[in-house]
Amino acid sequence: DAMVIQNPRYQVTQFGKPVTLSCSQTLNHNVMYWYQQKSSQAPKLLFHYYDKDFNNEADTPDNFQSRRPNTSFCFLDIRSPGLGDAAMYLCATSIPVAGPVYFGPGTRLLVL
Amino acid sequence: AQSVTQLGSHVSVSEGALVLLRCNYSSSVPPYLFWYVQYPNQGLQLLLKYTTGATLVKGINGFEAEFKKSETSFHLTKPSAHMSDAAEYFCAVSLGNTGGFKTIFGAGTRLFVKA
Repeated sequence: DAMVIQNPRYQVTQFGKPVTLSCSQTLNHNVMYWYQQKSSQAPKLLFHYYDKDFNNEADTPDNFQSRRPNTSFCFLDIRSPGLGDAAMYLCATSIPVAGPVYFGPGTRLLVL
Repeated sequence: AQSVTQLGSHVSVSEGALVLLRCNYSSSVPPYLFWYVQYPNQGLQLLLKYTTGATLVKGINGFEAEFKKSETSFHLTKPSAHMSDAAEYFCAVSLGNTGGFKTIFGAGTRLFVKA
């Protein structure tokens, strides 16, 4: 089945220690997104790619970076995680214009 | 700017009762609207979508939503709630190519189903 895959499902890191979250898709969608979701809140868009074009949200901290080496893969790098970065991180894909967003299962990040 | 507003952060219904979750959108152009469901510790799953055409949209698990342009609403309904419907529901709008293909989510409504 075509899908969005996120690894790992749970990630524990230490305060200030860089961490990378991974996402892959078999849907061949142009657009890939990273959302941050904290408890009982809506997903908050961090950035998205349309093919190789990177679009950063104005309020996304510089601590968060992303890479998309090819259509299938996208990475979220948190350079120096703080306690406030503990959250669920959702990767998603879509086709342009009217396409719905297809989500992966998420990676829950815990910062100690 | 396009956005969605979900009325009510929590809704509680009895099993077998009607489910109504409210969503209003603001858009200067015809919107692309979606409802998603999220179960604990999982990603969001698409319930249904409205892009063009028929204003009454049927989705999975017996849910449906009606696009009402005059009311700028896209409320989600289900005739008879089941215990398994208890989850968080998000209304969303796609900004399309004029908005960089971003999808913006409402704050969410948590549905509780009582036995």
